[in-house]
Parts: sequence; structure tokens; C-alpha cells
Amino acid sequence: DIQLTQSPSFLSASVGDRVTITCRASQGIASNLAWYQQKPGKAPKLLIYAASTLQSGVPSRFSGSRSEAEFTLTISSLQPEDFATYYCQQLNTYPSLTFGGGTKVEIK
Amino acid sequence: QVQLVESGGGVVQPGRSLRLSCAASGFTFSYYGMHWVRQAPGKGLEWVAFIWYDGRQKFYADSVRGRFSISRDNSRNTLYLQMDSLRAEDTAVYYCARGNFDNAGTLDLWGQGTLVTVSS
Repeated sequence: DIQLTQSPSFLSASVGDRVTITCRASQGIASNLAWYQQKPGKAPKLLIYAASTLQSGVPSRFSGSRSEAEFTLTISSLQPEDFATYYCQQLNTYPSLTFGGGTKVEIK
Repeated sequence: QVQLVESGGGVVQPGRSLRLSCAASGFTFSYYGMHWVRQAPGKGLEWVAFIWYDGRQKFYADSVRGRFSISRDNSRNTLYLQMDSLRAEDTAVYYCARGNFDNAGTLDLWGQGTLVTVSS
């Protein structure tokens, strides 16, 4: 089974900060990775797919990148509405899917 | 508008059954593969099941295989999850999610979720 390890699991940041979240896959998954944002009590929302493609309607301050089996979600300038939990998800073993453990972004 | 709306959650005793529904609107439901994903209280996301756009193929997580059954009625634009032999560890919010048209492993539309609590 493919495991996804997200780091950090928690981060505290201020509005305007540049934030980076990492997701490491236990084996190669090519670019078969998506990122989701989840706010408390709400459903997840797709942000990025195919490792680096921005979903329609998602602000351009969000970006994704890949270096082999390590993936990064970057928020270039954190906004108040960005405080949430972020999950990576691999689809290399589609239709079976795996999610990372999540990264909670809180206000410093 | 384009949306998914789950229903059918509630409190159920261990060993009993429950059926969840997910009503789709605003898009051509029969074109899309559909997933169920769950989230235990305070925990992360866990994929549960997937069904092809036409219902011919179904796939399950090991944790629910043999107990849960996914199905769909394209004439009613509705997805289902039949959950039998429920256990305490099945307690979670259950989300239905649409697989992207070009890559069904990407979940591009989610419902608001329905809470299932398994407790005596």
C-alpha cells in the first residue's frame, strides 16, 4: 500500500506569510496527486490536481509542485480564509485512493 | 446549481444496517464515476468505495469489503451506500464525491456529508 506522510501536521502562521506543506509518498506515484482544503464542519474542496494544476476558481496564491516522490503545496501569501486543514491524496492506485494525515494551518 | 446532497445518516446499533443516499443535481450524473469517503470524528479522510459511471464495476476499501455495498440509480441521479454489520469504528461523517470526468481519481465535487454513529 502507498502511504502519504504530510509535514508538518500543524503549523501556526500569520496573514501574509508564505506557507509550505509537504507530502511524501512511500513509493513513486508520478504526478498522481491532489490537494484539498477542509474548513471545520465543511466538506473538502479540491485545490490542485495532477500535482501542480490549479482547479478552476482557486486563487492563484495556491500552487503545487513535485520533486520525485515529494510534493509541496505552497500558499504564497496567507489570507484569513486560508486557515483550514489541508490534505494530499494519491490516485496512482485508482480506484483505491489514499489520503495524507492532514496539516492544520492556524492563526499565529 | 451543481451539488451533491447526502442523507440517511443517524444513530444505529452495532451489527445493524443503514443506507445512505446522495442526490446529484446540476450536472449529468450518469457521465461520472462516484466515490464515498468517510471521516471519523477528529480524524483524517478515508476512501470507502467507488462505482463506475454506469454501475458495472464497484471497488471497496479493505475495511468495508463484504459489509458495504455501493450502487447507483442513474434514472434518479442518486448514489447509495448500503452499510451492513456496522461496527463502532464505522462511526464517521460520510461524504459522496464526484470523480473528475477526465480522471475519476480526483474528487472535484463533494457533498456536505452525513453523520453515522454506531453505538449501543
